[in-house]
Amino acid sequence: GAVVSQHPSWVICKSGTSVKIECRSLDFQATTMFWYRQFPKQSLMLMATSNEGSKATYEQGVEKDKFLINHASLTLSTLTVTSAHPEDSSFYICSAPGGSNTEAFFGQGTRLTVV
Amino acid sequence: GEDVEQSLFLSVREGDSSVINCTYTDSSSTYLYWYKQEPGAGLQLLTYIFSNMDMKQDQRLTVLLNKKDKHLSLRIADTQTGDSAIYFCAEYWGTGRRALTFGSGTRLQVQP
Repeated sequence: GAVVSQHPSWVICKSGTSVKIECRSLDFQATTMFWYRQFPKQSLMLMATSNEGSKATYEQGVEKDKFLINHASLTLSTLTVTSAHPEDSSFYICSAPGGSNTEAFFGQGTRLTVV
Repeated sequence: GEDVEQSLFLSVREGDSSVINCTYTDSSSTYLYWYKQEPGAGLQLLTYIFSNMDMKQDQRLTVLLNKKDKHLSLRIADTQTGDSAIYFCAEYWGTGRRALTFGSGTRLQVQP
């Protein structure tokens, strides 16, 4: 079945630094990918929609200058958390829709801890 | 706007059936999904149901959809300790974006 690979699975960084998270579709092309954020014991909240070859669409309240999204190819989207702060610590998950409407394939998630 | 709600916690004994409930508000939802998340892991699709269906069964899983009440449930028969996880219902409301709206998640604890 279709697989979405997300890397890294966990990362610890210092405040003020930037962290890049990669999301790859391994055996299919994804013109659209979604980035979600999950706080501890909470649900997944859509942050932004990544569009291949064009600008990402951000949900209300998500700072586009802080969460930079690049979708340079049909199999790769990246999320860069710039100037990270402890409140950015969270679990970030990407997904890509399958060929039909019946499934979204999710990455393994990235646990970001900013110290 | 869309809103999906779930109870937060469910505890059952091994071998019993578990029923996890979900309510949603958007009547235009096209697909409704159940995902499982184990600690520190991503999401695993368990099953889904089209909005024109009332029930779907897949091995130990039974999904019931009551469109009138906008109520979705997931029944797990013969619950095992390996079923302990957080279960999310999610809806796709057919805007073409195919991003999902997730419920708050139900933590299922299976007691030996």
